[in-house]
Amino acid sequence: NAGVTQTPKFRVLKTGQSMTLLCAQDMNHEYMYWYRQDPGMGLRLIHYSVGEGTTAKGEVPDGYNVSRLKKQNFLLGLESAAPSQTSVYFCASSYTNLAKNIQYFGAGTRLSVL
Amino acid sequence: GQQLNQSPQSMFIQEGEDVSMNCTSSSIFNTWLWYKQDPGEGPVLLIALYKAGELTSNGRLTAQFGITRKDSFLNISASIPSDVGIYFCAGPGGSQGNLIFGKGTKLSVKP
Repeated sequence: NAGVTQTPKFRVLKTGQSMTLLCAQDMNHEYMYWYRQDPGMGLRLIHYSVGEGTTAKGEVPDGYNVSRLKKQNFLLGLESAAPSQTSVYFCASSYTNLAKNIQYFGAGTRLSVL
Repeated sequence: GQQLNQSPQSMFIQEGEDVSMNCTSSSIFNTWLWYKQDPGEGPVLLIALYKAGELTSNGRLTAQFGITRKDSFLNISASIPSDVGIYFCAGPGGSQGNLIFGKGTKLSVKP
């Protein structure tokens, strides 16, 4: 049982380049989330999805786009990377977002934008 | 928006010592979650709390849901080197019930 898998694990981009981060979960969860983690800032929600074909903005959505074409996959795109997007990105999934919302996290993608 | 205040920000302790950390909110939560993040890994759920006053243990870890429902505490007894990491509290305080996270308590354990 793999849980939540993120690819790639590391990436270095030049300013202005684009890339897509892939998240896959095998737990049949409805909800999926993308967070970024910066030193001293904790985890901040970028975008989330409440089901296949749906997406919604989180706390820090600017500069990112997402798609949820299949229930098990949630893609995070950077159209024109900026140094401020240097961060560690985590994907998570959960069965529900109600009171007993337990999120399961991937191992992270470490992105540097030069 | 809502925020969770975690303290302390960091702790440096000797192996064998007990550890206490807490998390407070400006508003009432009906769920408190405690996660641990090992270096280079994603957060992993340690303990989930669903009722005010609830005390739950997971091995050497004990967490409590505060009576006011605005705080939670995590204690680690007899710390060991593998306890090193960042401990996050979280609760459903975001829009549509999404989780918000504290900024974390970074624990370092000296053998």
